[in-house]
Amino acid sequence: DIQMTQSPSSLSASVGDRVTITCRASQSISKSVNWYQQTPGKAPKLLIYAASSLQSGVPSRFSGSGSGTDFTLTISSLQPEDFATYFCQQSDTTPWTFGHGTKVELK
Amino acid sequence: EVKVLQSGGGLVQPGGSLRLSCAASGFTFSAYVMTWLRQAPGKGLEWVSSLTAGGRSTYYADSVKGRFTISRDNSKNILSLQMTSLRAEDTAVYYCAKQWGGAIFDYWGQGTLVTVSS
Repeated sequence: DIQMTQSPSSLSASVGDRVTITCRASQSISKSVNWYQQTPGKAPKLLIYAASSLQSGVPSRFSGSGSGTDFTLTISSLQPEDFATYFCQQSDTTPWTFGHGTKVELK
Repeated sequence: EVKVLQSGGGLVQPGGSLRLSCAASGFTFSAYVMTWLRQAPGKGLEWVSSLTAGGRSTYYADSVKGRFTISRDNSKNILSLQMTSLRAEDTAVYYCAKQWGGAIFDYWGQGTLVTVSS
């Protein structure tokens, strides 16, 4: 199975901060990475697909980059509603696997 | 508007069975792969099973293979997951999701908690 190693596991930030979350795949997966946001008690929400494509309706402060094994999710200016947990997921090979998540908390 | 509404779930004893359902609307259900995923309490996300649009091909995680069965009724826009021989480690919130473009999960149900405990 392809392992997705996400870092950091948590971070503290303030409104307006630039936040970067990374995900490393255990083997090359081209651009087959998706990013999700999850708030407590809610289902995950798709933010970015195919490494860098913004899902319809998602604010442009979210962006993704990377290919091969290293991927990044960036929030350019953190907003109050962005305090949540973020997961990466590889869509290259079954079984589809997820990172363990990054919790973004208020500093 | 796309909606994915789940039902089922609850408390079941080890070795027991449970059926989850998911009713979809707002998109052409019969044209998309549908998937079940789960999230154990305080843990990350795990893919469980997927079913192709026409219902011919099924895919399962090794952890549930032989115990869970995914099915769909395209005439009613319903996806189901029959779970048997349940174990404590199956305790999780289960999500139904629409899948496209390979394995991109763009719409999710609200989740339903399955607790396996005596």
